[in-house]
Amino acid sequence: QKEVEQDPGPLSVPEGAIVSLNCTYSNSAFQYFMWYRQYSRKGPELLMYTYSSGNKEDGRFTAQVDKSSKYISLFIRDSQPSDSATYLCAMSSKDPGNTPLVFGKGTRLSVIA
Amino acid sequence: ETGVTQSPTHLIKTRGQQVTLRCSSQSGHNTVSWYQQALGQGPQFIFQYYREEENGRGNFPPRFSGLQFPNYSSELNVNALELDDSALYLCASSSLPDTQYFGPGTRLTVL
Repeated sequence: QKEVEQDPGPLSVPEGAIVSLNCTYSNSAFQYFMWYRQYSRKGPELLMYTYSSGNKEDGRFTAQVDKSSKYISLFIRDSQPSDSATYLCAMSSKDPGNTPLVFGKGTRLSVIA
Repeated sequence: ETGVTQSPTHLIKTRGQQVTLRCSSQSGHNTVSWYQQALGQGPQFIFQYYREEENGRGNFPPRFSGLQFPNYSSELNVNALELDDSALYLCASSSLPDTQYFGPGTRLTVL
């Protein structure tokens, strides 16, 4: 069993839809959780960074962490064609500034105009 | 965009050759991490440097080596290239208490 599981998709939604992206993990030591967006042939771009359980909102994006279920989610409201990308979840057991990040495989999202 | 830059953008090598990839950190960051991303996979941690010292290493053979310089820029060296080394190589810089910010990557093709 991989440490971080993420459905690779692809996920295709119409413009304006609410998108839900999810990851599960097995290592209960993970405390720091990140979502990165990666456009084709580009580097990952940090979207959301949360510590421990709870919700965090930034514009159209909401990150949720449920440590009791070892489950994290990213919600995108009012999705746009420009949101079409691969979304990677990442996590670490200690401060991610000096600890390796463990990534999921990424979910490919297409938002159709 | 982050302030992390990588060079070159693309590289084609043949099996058995050696390659050096370069990374400049974002201003103010003293830690550099390198990751390998195979097609359709998430990035896999290779190693991390903090103030010119290796600060952790993933499950990669010794032919993957690195350096960090006093200005916190970094190099990744891969010797005896194999076909499976074909991937996107990502550099990320960071400084406590923030997380890692990635560069655009170097795409390596081994023929």
